[in-house]
Amino acid sequence: SQQGEEDPQALSIQEGENATMNCSYKTSINNLQWYRQNSGRGLVHLILIRSNEREKHSGRLRVTLDTSKKSSSLLITASRAADTASYFCATDASAGKSTFGDGTTLTVKP
Amino acid sequence: DTGVSQNPRHKITKRGQNVTFRCDPISEHNRLYWYRQTLGQGPEFLTYFQNEAQLEKSRLLSDRFSAERPKGSFSTLEIQRTEQGDSAMYLCASSFGHSPTDTQYFGPGTRLTVL
Repeated sequence: SQQGEEDPQALSIQEGENATMNCSYKTSINNLQWYRQNSGRGLVHLILIRSNEREKHSGRLRVTLDTSKKSSSLLITASRAADTASYFCATDASAGKSTFGDGTTLTVKP
Repeated sequence: DTGVSQNPRHKITKRGQNVTFRCDPISEHNRLYWYRQTLGQGPEFLTYFQNEAQLEKSRLLSDRFSAERPKGSFSTLEIQRTEQGDSAMYLCASSFGHSPTDTQYFGPGTRLTVL
C-alpha cells in the first residue's frame, strides 16, 4: 500500500482562489516532496521539505510539514487555470526510494 | 533538452509478448529509478540504480520484469510474457545521488497497453 495519502481526492475551485491539499504518511521520513502531473504526462518536481523544516515557500506555493502528526499541506495561492493538474506527495524514508500517495486532482475553473 | 528521456512513449503489445523500454537520465545523475503508475493512482516504486548497481527492487517486480543499467548511463526495463495487468505508465527518474534529499527528475513515461 502507498505510504502517503492525499486529501481531498479531488478539488474544484475558481481562478484566483487558494487551493489547499493535505498529505498524511505512516512512517518516519527524511524528507517530503510535492509533484505536479498534467494529464497523461510525467511528474514535475515542485518543492522539497526536509524533516527538520516546518514551512517552505516557492513562488505561489507554500508547504508545511508536521512530523508529529505525520502530515504535510500544499497551498497554492491565487490559482490559475494552468494549475489544473494532479498533485502528489512523496515521502523518502530511505535514500533511493520515494513512496507516493494517490494524489489530489485539482481543477481550476477560469 | 537535457531532461530525462524515455522511449518509446507508447507501446501496444499482445499478451505474451516481450517489451523493452529505454530511459536516458540527465547526464551527470548517478541514480536512476523506475516507477509504474496505473490510472488514478500515484507512481509505485519498482527499482533503482546507483551507477550500474541495482540497489533495491520492489516486490512488485516479478520474475517477468528485469532492469539493467550496464554502463551506469541509460537503463532498460524489460517485461517478459506481458499480461493485461502490466498495462500502465512506466516512469523513469534520475537524481544526482549524493544525498538522501536528492530531487528526482522524471521523464515523460512510456505508456504500455497490453491487449
